Amino acid sequence: SQQGEEDPQALSIQEGENATMNCSYKTSINNLQWYRQNSGRGLVHLILIRSNEREKHSGRLRVTLDTSKKSSSLLITASRAADTASYFCATVPTNQGGKLIFGQGTELSVKP
Amino acid sequence: GAVVSQHPSRVICKSGTSVKIECRSLDFQATTMFWYRQFPKQSLMLMATSNEGSKATYEQGVEKDKFLINHASLTLSTLTVTSAHPEDSSFYICSASQGGGVGNTIYFGEGSWLTVV
Repeated sequence: SQQGEEDPQALSIQEGENATMNCSYKTSINNLQWYRQNSGRGLVHLILIRSNEREKHSGRLRVTLDTSKKSSSLLITASRAADTASYFCATVPTNQGGKLIFGQGTELSVKP
Repeated sequence: GAVVSQHPSRVICKSGTSVKIECRSLDFQATTMFWYRQFPKQSLMLMATSNEGSKATYEQGVEKDKFLINHASLTLSTLTVTSAHPEDSSFYICSASQGGGVGNTIYFGEGSWLTVV
């Protein structure tokens, strides 16, 4: 399969709580990216973390990367109902021309 | 910012006919474009990598004669689903990279819903 694994597949939380999503991948990478997708819509790029970085922040988002374990996590703090969406990690494998390979995604539901 | 436009956003076609989806980079030249397919409640599956002026590179399991990709200019790539069948109904998304390769930002289109009846 070209995809990595993400867990959980679905996550339901209350507004104000933190949401953590995990992603594992199979090959060596140049960078890893997280995207958000609202139902039936296109993708929104959230954050990119390079293979030589371990942690990155953007607003309420915190991303970690552990290349030794081939895994990443996305933390959304103080979640809002508007954060309800599907979240995908995507890797740019080394020596594959820059293409993005997507994980299976986590469906996040934030209840008001 | 950079914009990638897809057209049509939604299309319904009869089984056995062909349908073309366009992907345009509106304010930059895209040497590389990627085509993905997404079934409901599933992730994006890379179908092919399209390089301007050369043949597309298809992922394993994707029929190149069924999904024709043309990248004739630096701002336009097209995906033609030939002899479409109901199982081809899906969400098709393109993305474009300004320079190709690893260090360049990838921009996504809004996607095209294809329904084959």
